[in-house]
Amino acid sequence: QSVLTQPPSASGTPGQRVTISCSGSSSNIGSDTVNWYQQLPGTAPKLLIYDNSQRPSGVPDRFSGSKSGTSASLAISGLQSEDEADYYCATWDGSLNGYVFGAGTKVTVL
Amino acid sequence: EVQLVESGGGLVQPGGSLRLSCAASGFSLSGYWMSWVRQAPGKGLEWVANIKGDGSEKYYVDSVKGRFTISRDNAKNSLYLQMNSLRAEDTAVYYCARGVITDQWGQGTLVTVSS
Repeated sequence: QSVLTQPPSASGTPGQRVTISCSGSSSNIGSDTVNWYQQLPGTAPKLLIYDNSQRPSGVPDRFSGSKSGTSASLAISGLQSEDEADYYCATWDGSLNGYVFGAGTKVTVL
Repeated sequence: EVQLVESGGGLVQPGGSLRLSCAASGFSLSGYWMSWVRQAPGKGLEWVANIKGDGSEKYYVDSVKGRFTISRDNAKNSLYLQMNSLRAEDTAVYYCARGVITDQWGQGTLVTVSS
């Protein structure tokens, strides 16, 4: 059981906006920045958002991240079929002295 | 182009050992923390360990402490994970990744612990 809580699934139709939440505590999200990863089927994960809201080069601006207190969220606007993937939030946990991932959210494009 | 290539995975019996390697190219390993992350079949991502650029700091997830050792050879631009006393629950694809925030990932190597 992860210390970061994500919904197991989310869905939307093409063009819609989908939001994924990530809830933690003062020892993790509350005290460090949040990163998000996208894992397409059968591939290695890819860094999607770092430092709460920054996009690495090449990541479309349809993807955005935010953080407030002990929660963070990832938004996908203008949903596309190629966005079907698993999405994970992660951050450092000062109590565990380790990097922790959420359990992941499977996004389905209807 | 940054590349990370893992090797050393395979089938091992419970209680056995395995050493994973990760060859880095396209950047100098010495300037980065490096991490190992694993993913059990059909499951989510689990951080395993990371190591500072000069090797002076290492951190491990509780479930592998005392059994796994992360190390690096900056001269060879390589990262390692020595895994001892392997258990069935260690079965997973093991990824090496650059940095604490893991901004670059390898393709992974599968470790199967089974009799």
